[in-house]
Amino acid sequence: GQQVMQIPQYQHVQEGEDFTTYCNSSTTLSNIQWYKQRPGGHPVFLIQLVKSGEVKKQKRLTFQFGEAKKNSSLHITATQTTDVGTYFCAGFSGNTGKLIFGQGTTLQVKP
Amino acid sequence: SQTIHQWPATLVQPVGSPLSLECTVEGTSNPNLYWYRQAAGRGLQLLFYSVGIGQISSEVPQNLSASRPQDRQFILSSKKLLLSDSGFYLCAWTLTGPDEQYFGPGTRLTVT
Repeated sequence: GQQVMQIPQYQHVQEGEDFTTYCNSSTTLSNIQWYKQRPGGHPVFLIQLVKSGEVKKQKRLTFQFGEAKKNSSLHITATQTTDVGTYFCAGFSGNTGKLIFGQGTTLQVKP
Repeated sequence: SQTIHQWPATLVQPVGSPLSLECTVEGTSNPNLYWYRQAAGRGLQLLFYSVGIGQISSEVPQNLSASRPQDRQFILSSKKLLLSDSGFYLCAWTLTGPDEQYFGPGTRLTVT
């Protein structure tokens, strides 16, 4: 079945360093979504990418959707302690009609 | 604006006891509704989803069931809880399948 793999599982960075998480799907996706879950909280939608090769930015966050629409990445520039949390990608397959979540990358930022 | 409610926020139940978790959505009609479970430090496991009243799809065979008695109400139930049912239960809604999902605050269930 459809799988969405996300790496790394954990990342510890010093405040001010950059951070990247990668997401790979076993099938071509209609869209990719990114969510952030703060410790003790619930996932909150960040952004959706639809087009092949699409790049979107939200302040220090840059999101990319691969040309083949099977992979995506989230890059955070100059991390801050407020970036702490778990970042999930989720891929929607038009074939299955389902949104499949990756396992998430937990980011720890040392001040 | 739309809001999603879940209750209770936390729950401690003994093994073998029944369970009922409720989720309601306000400010929208005919949403798609989802139940997820998240084990500590893990990802989101889709349990059930519903595209309309009385329509339930189960993703994983297990000790749980779901019902949608009203358009904006989604209930997760169990007749007899197992230790392995412990986790963080999240309800989510979306207008259509490909759209972004909005999650409720969740219920932390501990089965003892």
